[in-house]
Amino acid sequence: DVKVTQSSRYLVKRTGEKVFLECVQDMDHENMFWYRQDPGLGLRLIYFSYDVKMKEKGDIPEGYSVSREKKERFSLILESASTNQTSMYLCASTRTGLTGELFFGEGSRLTVL
Amino acid sequence: AQTVTQSQPEMSVQEAETVTLSCTYDTSESNYYLFWYKQPPSRQMILVIRQEAYKQQNATENRFSVNFQKAAKSFSLKISDSQLGDTAMYFCAFMKQSGQKLVFGQGTRLTINP
Repeated sequence: DVKVTQSSRYLVKRTGEKVFLECVQDMDHENMFWYRQDPGLGLRLIYFSYDVKMKEKGDIPEGYSVSREKKERFSLILESASTNQTSMYLCASTRTGLTGELFFGEGSRLTVL
Repeated sequence: AQTVTQSQPEMSVQEAETVTLSCTYDTSESNYYLFWYKQPPSRQMILVIRQEAYKQQNATENRFSVNFQKAAKSFSLKISDSQLGDTAMYFCAFMKQSGQKLVFGQGTRLTINP
């Protein structure tokens, strides 16, 4: 089975802190994604990566950056956390050609105080 | 830009009943894919069913089926003989044929009552 592992299920950070959310997948997928999930808004794409060191902005990239130094790992970085970044963050991966079948992690619930 | 709209924030039915979740989308693309994803409480989101826009036949996966109306840009999910394990958030999603990115709707929280 494909496994997508997010490093932290729950985080509490203070405004202005730098936050790292880590995601690792074990199926050699080329494509990895970071989504943000908020009630009433569904999932919104922050960034995605289609190869090592390659990244593309999604719909809401402001305030976030990403890093993909290895194929299996995709990190989301909040340079200076703000209260409006309190949310559930979902990582997903897929192999090119799987036609939309994303494999998701369990999510990281971030609270910024 | 593509948009996906789920107009039912919450639904609740009794076990064994049939329930239909609604989804509409907006796109100028002619070739694309539509999906329903399920997110059980505190568990990972998984793909339930996929529909290719060029296929006229509605997709079916066991108790799950879709009603795809391309002209109306409508894509509803029907769950037959609902079970307690169907309790979850359900998300409708769109993907261009040429892409890898999915655009999701707002979600519908479905509760199956015993």
